[in-house]
Parts: sequence; structure tokens; C-alpha cells
Amino acid sequence: DGGITQSPKYLFRKEGQNVTLSCEQNLNHDAMYWYRQDPGQGLRLIYYSQIVNDFQKGDIAEGYSVSREKKESFPLTVTSAQKNPTAFYLCASNKNWSSYNSPLHFGNGTRLTVT
Amino acid sequence: AQTVTQSQPEMSVQEAETVTLSCTYDTSESDYYLFWYKQPPSRQMILVIRQEAYKQQNATENRFSVNFQKAAKSFSLKISDSQLGDAAMYFCAYRSETNYGGATNKLIFGTGTLLAVQP
Repeated sequence: DGGITQSPKYLFRKEGQNVTLSCEQNLNHDAMYWYRQDPGQGLRLIYYSQIVNDFQKGDIAEGYSVSREKKESFPLTVTSAQKNPTAFYLCASNKNWSSYNSPLHFGNGTRLTVT
Repeated sequence: AQTVTQSQPEMSVQEAETVTLSCTYDTSESDYYLFWYKQPPSRQMILVIRQEAYKQQNATENRFSVNFQKAAKSFSLKISDSQLGDAAMYFCAYRSETNYGGATNKLIFGTGTLLAVQP
């Protein structure tokens, strides 16, 4: 079945370490997104990518980096510069950036805890 | 900038009863899309229903329907015949139809309403 796979489900890191969250999709979608979810704040957009080798900052990109070398993959790196990295991270995709009514498909998320 | 407000942090409903979740939004645009997403304990976001702003008819999907009031900028979700499996966090979301530097598909989310279903 087609879908979005995020791994791992739970991730623990020490403060000061960079960590990379994986997101893979087999939906043949062009556009991919990373959202951060915190209690009481809904979802906020970190980065998005409309096509391979292109990505744009979202609303809260500071302390994060991404790459889009393959259509299927959109990994997110949480760097030591992110002041409050502990959160739930959701990856999403849709067919292409011009699909105005194309809903986002979401992965199951990764819960990152930094101590 | 557009904003989405969900004023009910938590709601509760008896099984088989009907519940309405509120959502208001602020925008100066005339063309946009509105969505309700469900996030069960598994935490995967699932699309429940969507509404195009240019359509006057309210969207329905089985037991789920919306009351879209464009002038009032209101987009409430009604769940009929509530089931235990409806227990989840529900998010209202807005998406512009205008291409702001390529962020066409940027979704703006509300803070969510946690729905409990009592047996």
C-alpha cells in the first residue's frame, strides 16, 4: 500500500547533538512537508519541498535543515541550534504544489526527546 | 496573515449523540480551502472533510458534515451518531488558493479540539 513512512517512531538524543528524522513516501508525490506539533499549538510548518532538489523555509525553520535529493525522501535534521527541539514531528506530502484541492497525506510521526 | 481559531480545547459527547466542533478563521482572501483533520491516539493525521470556499453547499462525508458560513468566517464540524472510534484530536485547517512565493499548499492549523466519546 502507498503511504508515508517516518522512522523511528521515538527518538532520544542528548542536547548538542544533531539528529536526522527520516521521511519516505511511495505515493509518487512531488511536494513534501515537515510540520512540528506541540501541545496547545497545533501544527507549524518547518520546511517544504515542491520538487526534487528544491526546498523552502516554512514558518519555524530556524535550527532545522532538510534535503531533497530523491523524490521519495525528505529527511529533516534537527541541529543543536534548535533551542527547543523536543516535539512531535510530522511529515506530509501531496501530488504537487499546484494541487489546490489535493489533501495532504501524513506519516505517523516521530516523537523526538532531547535531554 | 491568515489565522485559524478553535475555541474549544476539549469536548465530550455520548455515544450515538451529535456533537459540533467550532472553528473560525481570519482572512482577506475570497478563494481558499478549509479542512478538518482527525488525529487519533495513533497520531496519524487523517483528512475528515474539506470545503472549497467558492461552494455554497456544505460538504458532507457520511456522519460528518460542516456548517460553512463564509461571511462569518466560520467552519464548524458536526459529527452525527458519534462512535467510540471518533475519539481523537480534531484540527481545523485553512489553505490559501493564492501562490505566496510557492507556498500554495501551506496549511494553517488551529490548536485543535480533543473530543472524548462516552460509552
